[in-house]
Amino acid sequence: QKEVEQNSGPLSVPEGAIASLNCTYSDRGSQSFFWYRQYSGKSPELIMSIYSNGDKEDGRFTAQLNKASQYVSLLIRDSQPSDSATYLCAVPYSGGYQKVTFGTGTKLQVIP
Amino acid sequence: GAGVSQSPRYKVAKRGQDVALRCDPISGHVSLFWYQQALGQGPEFLTYFQNEAQLDKSGLPSDRFFAERPEGSVSTLKIQRTQQEDSAVYLCASSKITNTDTQYFGPGTRLTVL
Repeated sequence: QKEVEQNSGPLSVPEGAIASLNCTYSDRGSQSFFWYRQYSGKSPELIMSIYSNGDKEDGRFTAQLNKASQYVSLLIRDSQPSDSATYLCAVPYSGGYQKVTFGTGTKLQVIP
Repeated sequence: GAGVSQSPRYKVAKRGQDVALRCDPISGHVSLFWYQQALGQGPEFLTYFQNEAQLDKSGLPSDRFFAERPEGSVSTLKIQRTQQEDSAVYLCASSKITNTDTQYFGPGTRLTVL
């Protein structure tokens, strides 16, 4: 079992729709979770961070965390073609090491 | 600039050559991370520094990989006797304090080993 799992996609949604991106993780002690966006040929940039169970909203983005199910998701409302990118879920390891594990990323395509 | 910088942006090496990749983190950031990203994959953790101390090197794939951050600022990732499987983008990131803080990534160095 991979430590952080994401569906690689591509996930295609029409412009204006809601895109839902999912991530599961194996480290039960993890306390913080990050979503990064990576455009092709560019480096990752932070979209959202979440630390508590429930929802966290920032503009068109909502992160959802369920620690009991070891599941974190990212919703993008009113998807735009400029949202087309790969979305990476990142989970810092809780066990005394400083590693941060990234998922393989989900490629999102927003169709105009 | 205020961001993380890396050099060179592109490096082509012949198999067996040694390479050195440089990372200049955001000023004052305590933590520095190196990642390797293969095409179509997420970044894979290589190593972590807290100031000048290398606290985690569990992701370094072999003893050909070596990293240092002697003064707690600039870091260098060195790969000895490069192999074709080392071809990837090498990303450096820094964060204010720990691995639970936001990481800011540099533009990466694309290494191609022929």
